[in-house]
Amino acid sequence: DTGVSQDPRHKITKRGQNVTFRCDPISEHNRLYWYRQTLGQGPEFLTYFQNEAQLEKSRLLSDRFSAERPKGSFSTLEIQRTEQGDSAMYLCASSRGQGEITDTQYFGPGTRLTVL
Amino acid sequence: GQQLNQSPQSMFIQEGEDVSMNCTSSSIFNTWLWYKQDPGEGPVLLIALYKAGELTSNGRLTAQFGITRKDSFLNISASIPSDVGIYFCAAVHNTGKLIFGQGTTLQVKP
Repeated sequence: DTGVSQDPRHKITKRGQNVTFRCDPISEHNRLYWYRQTLGQGPEFLTYFQNEAQLEKSRLLSDRFSAERPKGSFSTLEIQRTEQGDSAMYLCASSRGQGEITDTQYFGPGTRLTVL
Repeated sequence: GQQLNQSPQSMFIQEGEDVSMNCTSSSIFNTWLWYKQDPGEGPVLLIALYKAGELTSNGRLTAQFGITRKDSFLNISASIPSDVGIYFCAAVHNTGKLIFGQGTTLQVKP
């Protein structure tokens, strides 16, 4: 299997700019998750998709954040009017999502966002 | 929100030593996971635990799913320099999302 890929790997932007990240899951994985990780912390859940349906959003996902998975394959995460507090590693994970207890999430390498 | 308490926060050990770290929760979970993360990369799954009381090994790694379903332990035997990294416990919420601990940073002195 080709693993989960994310693009870009690094993004530096100025406060107030919009940024968009892309995640390509493992082929035929139905579920796609977004997490955010700040320095010295574990990843925190943001949102997830079952195919193209966005099924859960964390309270961390303010109205400046929007995620899409239009065709049930790749996903995009957009942050509008970025703030310095948005600086973090944004991780994407995918899983088969067929309801088994052994459904394993595989993570991509992440996109490191720095807001100046 | 729900949190996992992971300890210790960091460890600095000599090559060849054994390492233990643990994770506790105030909530019950039915699946516990242990991941390793290298700098600038995403977490990689090491061991998955699906049954309370279960003891599972993966090479030099051994993990246990606590009988109360509120804790888990990871042991690394005979550490080597490539064991360096950050180890995270994670528990699977009933919606499928993962809840992570704060991580244990492991440094190994050759």
